[in-house]
Amino acid sequence: DGGITQSPKYLFRKEGQNVTLSCEQNLNHDAMYWYRQDPGQGLRLIYYSQIVNDFQKGDIAEGYSVSREKKESFPLTVTSAQKNPTAFYLCASSIGDRGRDEQFFGPGTRLTVL
Amino acid sequence: SQQGEEDPQALSIQEGENATMNCSYKTSINNLQWYRQNSGRGLVHLILIRSNEREKHSGRLRVTLDTSKKSSSLLITASRAADTASYFCAPYSSINTGNQFYFGTGTSLTVIP
Repeated sequence: DGGITQSPKYLFRKEGQNVTLSCEQNLNHDAMYWYRQDPGQGLRLIYYSQIVNDFQKGDIAEGYSVSREKKESFPLTVTSAQKNPTAFYLCASSIGDRGRDEQFFGPGTRLTVL
Repeated sequence: SQQGEEDPQALSIQEGENATMNCSYKTSINNLQWYRQNSGRGLVHLILIRSNEREKHSGRLRVTLDTSKKSSSLLITASRAADTASYFCAPYSSINTGNQFYFGTGTSLTVIP
């Protein structure tokens, strides 16, 4: 999975709890992304970051928050405000501009809300 | 949005046959990428084709791009059971996508041994 690690692989959360998904890369990539994948809907962009201490919302940012304090790390917090958080979450990185370069994906975290 | 739309949604073939998947998009692009996803795993980049290229090869993969028809195809020759996966296209436009990157819903390929 190309130098990107995500943890945990499976995560269970009770309703009303915040949970943080980890994403770390050792590829020295500037850009990092979080996607959500639901059955039959492909990937949807939650947040992306092109540089440390900067990030932008994607199409479905509501109920999520991120930070980019280090180049290697881009954690995603799923807050209690996210109404339907059960999904497969994928983190990715690229050298620079997301469209010009290939994206390297982590193995994913499957979040289930009980 | 500049989302790629893959066709067909699902494809089932016998091992050794060729598999062809298509991708259509709506506006002009800088490049188009194809990715593969095995069940429950992350995506793996397969190939990138630029708007000024018409065809590109990588091993058993052949990608074509027709910018006049706003479409691309991915051909996998001599398919193997290990090719069973979902395949996604991602067209990119620096102007029309607001610098974002959109994946379609994918083509689910099953190769029967």
